Amino acid sequence: QVQLQESGPGLVKPSQTLSLTCTVSGAPIGSGDYYWKWIRQPPGKGLEWVGYIYYSGSTYSNPSLKSRVDMSVDTSKNQFSLKLSSVTAADTAIYYCARARQGAMSIDYWGQGTLVTVSS
Amino acid sequence: DIQMTQSPSSLSASVGDRVTITCRASQSISSYLNWYQQKPGKAPKLLIYAASSLHSGVPSRFSGSGSGTDFTLTISSLQPEDFATYYCHQSYNTPFTFGPGTKVDI
Repeated sequence: QVQLQESGPGLVKPSQTLSLTCTVSGAPIGSGDYYWKWIRQPPGKGLEWVGYIYYSGSTYSNPSLKSRVDMSVDTSKNQFSLKLSSVTAADTAIYYCARARQGAMSIDYWGQGTLVTVSS
Repeated sequence: DIQMTQSPSSLSASVGDRVTITCRASQSISSYLNWYQQKPGKAPKLLIYAASSLHSGVPSRFSGSGSGTDFTLTISSLQPEDFATYYCHQSYNTPFTFGPGTKVDI
């Protein structure tokens, strides 16, 4: 059974960097069959695609987040990570890590999500 | 960016009703359209991928159709556990985008 689990601080101060890690179990991140994604959801609002990383380290992030996003992967730990810099209150959201299959790029497994609040 | 719209934004229905939700893309996305169900406090769950393929373990009362710019999600006979918010999601072009959601309640 594939499981994803987000971890990281639940509170970040404005202008600082949000850092989250997703630990994957039940499936090797090093499999070339999947992309590993971050999606966020402001409280009470819809879903926003943040970006994805492939096991090779290639990434793509949402241009709406400009150059604030940095993603990395550690296949030895079966983890991938997200850093979002210069955060503001608008970055307050539930952050989900997820797996997307190649081809259709549908997201077949999601983490439970972690709420990150940006506040001083 | 490809913009996704959904209609209606919310609907009220009863157990046993047939429910149809529409999703429209601002440009052709072929069949790169997925549907998710989200219940309060939970992560979304994949229902339909590639416009009409049922994800493993999803009840057959859920079906999807469409291609190009217009898509539908149909629940043939609404069950109590189906009351939730439904999102469409295009995976044709980056940045992948989601529709605003359709809330189905009693």
